[in-house]
Amino acid sequence: NAGVTQTPKFRVLKTGQSMTLLCAQDMNHEYMYWYRQDPGMGLRLIHYSVGEGTTAKGEVPDGYNVSRLKKQNFLLGLESAAPSQTSVYFCASRAWTGGSYEQYFGPGTRLTVT
Amino acid sequence: TQLLEQSPQFLSIQEGENLTVYCNSSSVFSSLQWYRQEPGEGPVLLVTVVTGGEVKKLKRLTFQFGDARKDSSLHITAAQPGDTGLYLCAASRKAGNMLTFGGGTRLMVKP
Repeated sequence: NAGVTQTPKFRVLKTGQSMTLLCAQDMNHEYMYWYRQDPGMGLRLIHYSVGEGTTAKGEVPDGYNVSRLKKQNFLLGLESAAPSQTSVYFCASRAWTGGSYEQYFGPGTRLTVT
Repeated sequence: TQLLEQSPQFLSIQEGENLTVYCNSSSVFSSLQWYRQEPGEGPVLLVTVVTGGEVKKLKRLTFQFGDARKDSSLHITAAQPGDTGLYLCAASRKAGNMLTFGGGTRLMVKP
């Protein structure tokens, strides 16, 4: 049981380039999330999914797209990277743990846009 | 302005000292969670509190949810270097809804 995995772990992009971040979970969770973490800002929700084939916007969705073609995978795309998207990106999935929801996070992807 | 304000932002203490970090808001929440994050890793859930006035203990960590469900505190007794990390509070307004995270408190415990 690997939990939540993210690839790649590090990436450097030039302004205008595109890339896709992959998140995979083997816990059969319905809900999945993409966050970005910047110093002093905590985690901010980019997009989320409540199940296979569904996606919804979070707090900071501009400049990002997502897809949930398979239940276990949640992809985050940057079509034209900008320096403001330099951040650490975390994926999470959610489970009901008998009284409350718990989010399980991946190890993160550190993205630098130059 | 963040919905959840954490204080202090940074805390550096000696091993054995006690400390308290705070998570405050003007909004009422259905539940509040505390996470700890170590460098290079994702956050890990420590506790969930759902009832106003609730107190939960996890070894040397004591968590309290305010009576009005607008704020919370985390108290660590006799801190150890292993407690070093980023502590994040997160809350949801409705059961099952999205989580909003605070900015975090970065704790360093020196041996």
